Amino acid sequence: GQNIDQPTEMTATEGAIVQINCTYQTSGFNGLFWYQQHAGEAPTFLSYNVLDGLEEKGRFSSFLSRSKGYSYLLLKELQMKDSASYLCAVLDSNYQLIWGAGTKLIIKP
Amino acid sequence: GAVVSQHPSRVICKSGTSVKIECRSLDFQATTMFWYRQFPKQSLMLMATSNEGSKATYEQGVEKDKFLINHASLTLSTLTVTSAHPEDSSFYICSARDVAGLETDTQYFGPGTRLTVL
Repeated sequence: GQNIDQPTEMTATEGAIVQINCTYQTSGFNGLFWYQQHAGEAPTFLSYNVLDGLEEKGRFSSFLSRSKGYSYLLLKELQMKDSASYLCAVLDSNYQLIWGAGTKLIIKP
Repeated sequence: GAVVSQHPSRVICKSGTSVKIECRSLDFQATTMFWYRQFPKQSLMLMATSNEGSKATYEQGVEKDKFLINHASLTLSTLTVTSAHPEDSSFYICSARDVAGLETDTQYFGPGTRLTVL
């Protein structure tokens, strides 16, 4: 079956760095998305990786290794507003989105 | 884990026809389901919030007469795109909130339905 795994919850300190991992097993691969979702709001697009490597976008970076079925989202210089759920989703061979359950990130002062 | 399915996964239709998309929570009950539209590599745009047994709440700018939503049971919500036009072509994604879940804000997302209107 198809599966996306990511930690349920993580806690980090304001100003620090946190890495949220995502591993996937899907039928085919057409890219991996990271979304941020604050409580009660729609998910916000963070990144899309389809080739191996690191993509940096300001304080957020996303890494992909297709051979390992692995991605991570790296958040630097954490701010309190980064407290949210982070969703990993893979586009499979049928261009269907397979979603992870999300990682709730708690930022402490 | 909680699973949400959508049917159909993709549909191609002629301009002017209506298309119904189903969203089902397979192993949990959902009093609230959400319908989103996704544009390529962009954030999900919330279209409407569907509550079981009551009328859906539409976001500003979303035509309720064009996008008909019915949430007749705790496991099924439907989105009907009426008189579809090419500009309605998009990826429609639903999500469901588990009534029994400890995290009341947790949404479980469906795989999406790709609509192409010719």
